Amino acid sequence: EAQVTQNPRYLITVTGKKLTVTCSQNMNHEYMSWYRQDPGLGLRQIYYSMNVEVTDKGDVPEGYKVSRKEKRNFPLILESPSPNQTSLYFCASSSDKVLRTDTQYFGPGTRLTVL
Amino acid sequence: KQEVTQIPAALSVPEGENLVLNCSFTDSAIYNLQWFRQDPGKGLTSLLLIQSSQREQTSGRLNASLDKSSGRSTLYIAASQPGDSATYLCAVPKHGSSNTGKLIFGQGTTLQVKP
Repeated sequence: EAQVTQNPRYLITVTGKKLTVTCSQNMNHEYMSWYRQDPGLGLRQIYYSMNVEVTDKGDVPEGYKVSRKEKRNFPLILESPSPNQTSLYFCASSSDKVLRTDTQYFGPGTRLTVL
Repeated sequence: KQEVTQIPAALSVPEGENLVLNCSFTDSAIYNLQWFRQDPGKGLTSLLLIQSSQREQTSGRLNASLDKSSGRSTLYIAASQPGDSATYLCAVPKHGSSNTGKLIFGQGTTLQVKP
């Protein structure tokens, strides 16, 4: 089944404790992206990757890091989480880098709470 | 700068009603427009993707229309069912030379269909 998977699905942590949210897709997509969703603010892009070893900042990259060492994986790293990073995080992938002809496929989401 | 707006923010209807969800966008230079469904605490499921050259798309009881010149799209749900209760999001890809493969989302309409 074609899908985007994320782990963990739920995470409660404390301020300053480094964490990684994994994302993997099995559709051989070149393009991957991370969003966060917050009430009243909607979905906002954090980082994106056009291909292996190619990543760039989205609208709200502060406090996050990413890496793209393999085509299928795009982990999101929070080196020193803070309470304002409490959010619902989505990973997405697409075969079309500019989304002209195809949709983005979204993972199930990771709900992160930083105390 | 593209902005996407959805009105109303919430809608409650009795089962069996036909209903229309609205989406407007400020920049008519779009590749396409998508409608997503999001169940509480879950990921986004793509419902319909309308290319800029199309006027409408249908999938089962769902029909989405697109009027680029007026910057509007509607999602029509026929014979609503309690299982249709969810948040519906519309989104357009960021357009132009600075494209990051980002989807620009509206805030969503939360639909409740009462039995």
